[in-house]
Amino acid sequence: GAVVSQHPSWVICKSGTSVKIECRSLDFQATTMFWYRQFPKQSLMLMATSNEGSKATYEQGVEKDKFLINHASLTLSTLTVTSAHPEDSSFYICSARPGQGGNQPQHFGDGTRLSIL
Amino acid sequence: GDSVTQMEGPVTLSEEAFLTINCTYTATGYPSLFWYVQYPGEGLQLLLKATKADDKGSNKGFEATYRKETTSFHLEKGSVQVSDSAVYFCALSRTFQGAQKLVFGQGTRLTINP
Repeated sequence: GAVVSQHPSWVICKSGTSVKIECRSLDFQATTMFWYRQFPKQSLMLMATSNEGSKATYEQGVEKDKFLINHASLTLSTLTVTSAHPEDSSFYICSARPGQGGNQPQHFGDGTRLSIL
Repeated sequence: GDSVTQMEGPVTLSEEAFLTINCTYTATGYPSLFWYVQYPGEGLQLLLKATKADDKGSNKGFEATYRKETTSFHLEKGSVQVSDSAVYFCALSRTFQGAQKLVFGQGTRLTINP
């Protein structure tokens, strides 16, 4: 149980393109989803917290107009990297947490490797 | 603010060796503590967790005990296998402005040689 699917797993696109990444909880409802960015050989950096039906909460230093997050249902959140540039190349990972919080662990997707040429 | 510090890697061991990866934390209150594992090219998988002091989390031969007095959550395994090669992240869970968030350590890359 507690499977999170992330799609696509790998994308290469030209500079200036917008890229959408989907994160789905397959067998549970996720009130809250999280988006992380991971640079090579580094830890995960939380970008934003996404709550179903409301605006995402962005971490300090993350551009909300650059990284658009939509959490339209209890099983789907999307991250759109708008007008992507080479410096946006990274490994993006989503996670989802069942229920209303407490000590429920986050369950992670397999990540999306984004390469901007 | 809350933080997690892990021993620096990379760590290289031979198969069947004993493993310890140190993790200490700084936090207000009583956070939950986690170990996650990341295999190459994949996302993170929850390995084990502990939610209160003196709890021991265990899974797949790995163990970690929540030590409040030393603010530590060291990961141990008695006999490692080649398939344990991965990056291991220690993390704590904290509530900030009503939302529960994970704070990760920097990760420790483990390589097990046959």
